[in-house]
Amino acid sequence: GAVVSQHPSRVICKSGTSVKIECRSLDFQATTMFWYRQFPKQSLMLMATSNEGSKATYEQGVEKDKFLINHASLTLSTLTVTSAHPEDSSFYICSARDFSVVNEQYFGPGTRLTVT
Amino acid sequence: KQEVTQIPAALSVPEGENLVLNCSFTDSAIYNLQWFRQDPGKGLTSLLLIQSSQREQTSGRLNASLDKSSGRSTLYIAASQPGDSATYLCAVWLGGSRLTFGEGTQLTVNP
Repeated sequence: GAVVSQHPSRVICKSGTSVKIECRSLDFQATTMFWYRQFPKQSLMLMATSNEGSKATYEQGVEKDKFLINHASLTLSTLTVTSAHPEDSSFYICSARDFSVVNEQYFGPGTRLTVT
Repeated sequence: KQEVTQIPAALSVPEGENLVLNCSFTDSAIYNLQWFRQDPGKGLTSLLLIQSSQREQTSGRLNASLDKSSGRSTLYIAASQPGDSATYLCAVWLGGSRLTFGEGTQLTVNP
């Protein structure tokens, strides 16, 4: 099946700094990528949807100035957590949809962000 | 608004048992339904995808069924093994860009 990678898998940063997470579709072109956040023992919460070359669409309650999303190519999307605070500590998962196949959505392995 | 419910929230079974996980959704106008597995601290692994026109899909010891009219799907796991222990999530796609997830069923298979 299609593969989605994320980098880094874990990151620890100090409060007030910014962190960038990369999401890549390795063997298919993803016109649409998604960013999710997951708290312990909870399901995935969609943060934003990004289409290649256009601005991301953020879900209600998600601060677009804090969570900057860039989808510059058909295989790469980035999520930058700006001025991170401890409450931003979470598991971030990206996903990509290959509309050319059977509309299946593929998920990355996730990034564990810890803000100290 | 589409809502997805998974029952039970947690399940503990002895090794070798056959088991069924349930998923229900409120809007039957779905394009497809996916079952995922998530191990602790990991991303999601897609197990089975059922298109709206299909009734079931099988992969190895896994069988997923879909009854769109009643808004239900089941994931059947045969001859469960300790390695099957994980959280199982179902998600429905209504078209557009949004997948709606259930809260998951945490499965523990005891040796």
